[in-house]
Amino acid sequence: QVKLQQSGAELVKPGASVKLSCKTSGYTFSTSYMSWFKQIPGQSIEWIGMIYAGDGGTGYNQKFKGKATLTVDTSSSTAYMDLSSLTTEDSAVYFCARNSYAHGYVMDAWGQGASVTVSS
Amino acid sequence: DIVMTQGALPNPVPSGESVSITCRSSKSLLYSDGKTYLNWYLQRPGQSPQLLIYWMSTRASGVSDRFSGSGSGTDFTLKISGVEAEDVGVYYCQQGLEFPYTFGAGTKLELK
Repeated sequence: QVKLQQSGAELVKPGASVKLSCKTSGYTFSTSYMSWFKQIPGQSIEWIGMIYAGDGGTGYNQKFKGKATLTVDTSSSTAYMDLSSLTTEDSAVYFCARNSYAHGYVMDAWGQGASVTVSS
Repeated sequence: DIVMTQGALPNPVPSGESVSITCRSSKSLLYSDGKTYLNWYLQRPGQSPQLLIYWMSTRASGVSDRFSGSGSGTDFTLKISGVEAEDVGVYYCQQGLEFPYTFGAGTKLELK
């Protein structure tokens, strides 16, 4: 079955960067799409961007341009998101989710989430 | 950006009752392919979101037929027929028509 396993919780200092991973299994990663999301506990969900594993092509939410960078490693079926110049406003849970090309790019499988806490 | 606005539920809801959650988009989500790009998700407490409905009315694989979606190009409804304990959580509508994808604020379902 489709699985998305995210990396663990991170505690980072302001100004630092962090790289989150999302390791996939159970489907053909190399021709798939992946989105990333931000959710502050108790709040709604924000779409950060999407990446196509076939060629690394990306689309970003303007709000997160310069903050998030999406990449993939097809040899390990893993997607990554780099978050840079972190501030306390970046403290949140981040999710990866597969976009189903066959169903209008709907997010049909999600990772368990990774908590990022930015604190000095 | 497309703004998604969700309605509230009269919580707590008695088990077995049917409820409807509303969602409105600031732009029509009907695309030229005839499909309406409106999706529904459930996020149970402490879990990641789970897809329930896509293309406004198509149930995702494995989703109970107690869940049904309907609507027009801008006004949408998720109906839960006979709520059960496992339905507790926050329901989100999301537009998949254009970037950036956007979500509603969420509608919380609590059981009596």
